[in-house]
Amino acid sequence: SYELTQAPSVSVSPGQTAMITCSGDALPKKYAYWYQQKSRQAPVLVIYEDTKRPSGIPERFSGSSSGTMATLTISGAQVEDEAHYYCYSTDSSGNHGVFGRGTELTVL
Amino acid sequence: EVQLVETGGGLIQPGESLRLSCAVSGFTVSSNYMSWVRQAPGKGLEWVSVIYSGDSTFYADSVKGRFTISRDNYTNTLYLQMNTLRAEDTAVYYCTRARGSAGAMYYFDFWGQGTLVAVSS
Repeated sequence: SYELTQAPSVSVSPGQTAMITCSGDALPKKYAYWYQQKSRQAPVLVIYEDTKRPSGIPERFSGSSSGTMATLTISGAQVEDEAHYYCYSTDSSGNHGVFGRGTELTVL
Repeated sequence: EVQLVETGGGLIQPGESLRLSCAVSGFTVSSNYMSWVRQAPGKGLEWVSVIYSGDSTFYADSVKGRFTISRDNYTNTLYLQMNTLRAEDTAVYYCTRARGSAGAMYYFDFWGQGTLVAVSS
């Protein structure tokens, strides 16, 4: 079955740029989405369709995609950005959702 | 205001069945894609199933043949019927609205708070 690959953890100091990547064979044809999850709360969408930011999400969150890799960038990471981040997409049919295993972001 | 409220979780023995419900307000389930996503304790998110507005349904390989997604348009409720439950089905189950996207795919824009299903003898 289709998989999205993420590194398990990323650590940055406050104010630094955090980059979280997600790779998958279908990403050239399917969008990537990024969800933030804190302390077992319901996930929150922070980036959709590779690069778009929902209303209410700080401008420091941005997304990009090239080939089989999508990237979530947090420019000037804050302590409150500590969370698990999951990339999401679908398989090539578009019918089966797939999440990456998640990346735990530590800001300290 | 959009709200999704899941109910029906609990402790259940392996091999038994359980039905989860998701009461929706703020939009109509019949005209939207709806989906279930689960999260095992200490683990990541896992897509479980989706139902399209045209009634097509799709399932993760891990639940195909055991779980059935459905909806009641009159009560604006989404369901997940779970049969032959296994220990590995233990998870928080989230009800979500799955929004169709350009590129012939979908994503999740509204989530409930989840309901815990624990499968154990």
